[in-house]
Amino acid sequence: RKEVEQDPGPFNVPEGATVAFNCTYSNSASQSFFWYRQDCRKEPKLLMSVYSSGNEDGRFTAQLNRASQYISLLIRDSKLSDSATYLCVVNEDAGNNRKLIWGLGTSLGVNP
Amino acid sequence: DGGITQSPKYLFRKEGQNVTLSCEQNLNHDAMYWYRQDPGQGLRLIYYSQIVNDFQKGDIAEGYSVSREKKESFPLTVTSAQKNPTAFYLCASSFRGTVQETQYFGPGTRLLVL
Repeated sequence: RKEVEQDPGPFNVPEGATVAFNCTYSNSASQSFFWYRQDCRKEPKLLMSVYSSGNEDGRFTAQLNRASQYISLLIRDSKLSDSATYLCVVNEDAGNNRKLIWGLGTSLGVNP
Repeated sequence: DGGITQSPKYLFRKEGQNVTLSCEQNLNHDAMYWYRQDPGQGLRLIYYSQIVNDFQKGDIAEGYSVSREKKESFPLTVTSAQKNPTAFYLCASSFRGTVQETQYFGPGTRLLVL
């Protein structure tokens, strides 16, 4: 099993749709979780950290399910500008303060 | 403006040649990182540095070398020993280097082998 797994997609949705991505991780001791966004041929940028209690930032909601070892990202009212690849990032081990594992990303296309 | 700069944007390497990718940050971050991104693969860590004059190997350090003589700068040299260097190279930094922190990325350098 890969350390961090994401459905590569692509997910193609119309503007205004709600779309959700999941990401599973293999190390039950992982403590830090993030969603980054990467536009085509650009650098990744932090979208949001994922907290145990779940967190929301505008149209974006992130959830953590430790029992099932996955995190999710929900995007409501999709905009054309949301088209990008969404990278799931998990720290490798609770004892390793410097290692992040990056998923391959989920591609989202929002259509007019 | 604060941020991370990488140069050049595109770099061409001939067989047997060493090339150096530049990374500079003015965010006053202690930690800096080099990643490689290939199609169909996630970001893979090449080297990282928590403090000036110290750095550690990541998962794929073979064929690469780094230096950290100044806090602001973390250049990466791709040596002739790296047999498959064509990739998108990303430099990042974070405040102290713990995994709870956001990593900020430069715009990347695309390296192509001639």
